[in-house]
Amino acid sequence: QVQLVQSGAEVKKPGASVKVSCKASGNTFTSYYMHWVRQAPGQGLEWMGIINPSGGRTTYAQKFQGRVTMTRDTSTSTVYMELSSLRSEDTAVYYCARGRGYSYYDYWGQGTLVTVSS
Amino acid sequence: QPVLTQPPSVSGAPGQRVTISCTGSSSNVGAGYDVHWYQQLPGTAPRLLIYGNTNRPSGVPDRFSGAKSGTSASLAISGLQAEDEADYYCQSYDSSLSGVFGGGTKLTVL
Repeated sequence: QVQLVQSGAEVKKPGASVKVSCKASGNTFTSYYMHWVRQAPGQGLEWMGIINPSGGRTTYAQKFQGRVTMTRDTSTSTVYMELSSLRSEDTAVYYCARGRGYSYYDYWGQGTLVTVSS
Repeated sequence: QPVLTQPPSVSGAPGQRVTISCTGSSSNVGAGYDVHWYQQLPGTAPRLLIYGNTNRPSGVPDRFSGAKSGTSASLAISGLQAEDEADYYCQSYDSSLSGVFGGGTKLTVL
């Protein structure tokens, strides 16, 4: 059974950075891409980017270029998403989701609430 | 603004059939990329409902079905049940090398 377990809620000040982790269970960590998707309060889903855990290659949504960094640690089957220069509009639930390549997302983490407030 | 267009809300009585549309463009759905659907219950993570336009993952009832034609796709839910009340999102891939979502549709079971 695949499980994606994310780190806990964060409260950050504007201008700060946040790093969210997503630990995958099972022996297939390097076999599937991992995506990050966020959802602002009362809003829809927004794709942020993708990382290939096998080689670490990333692709980011244009909107987040220069502010987001996705990394992975194969020894712990964990992927990370770091977002910098936070502003109030970044307040959202951030999800990791296992991807079938760039196609669809078959397993999702439980979500991590990031609140940006002065 | 969401890249894919969905109606904000739909509703139906128990037992009825409802459909949710999803309209894209020539750079995503119309370019031949598959459409996928997710169900999101309040306070929970999205759940994969339909993948590859028409396929249901194991455990998804056959009351849910998907279709795609040209630049549009649709999700149909037949035999509506109270537990189907949720937000539904379509998703595809765009030639700008990014995932894209619809704005979501809130289904109300009357």
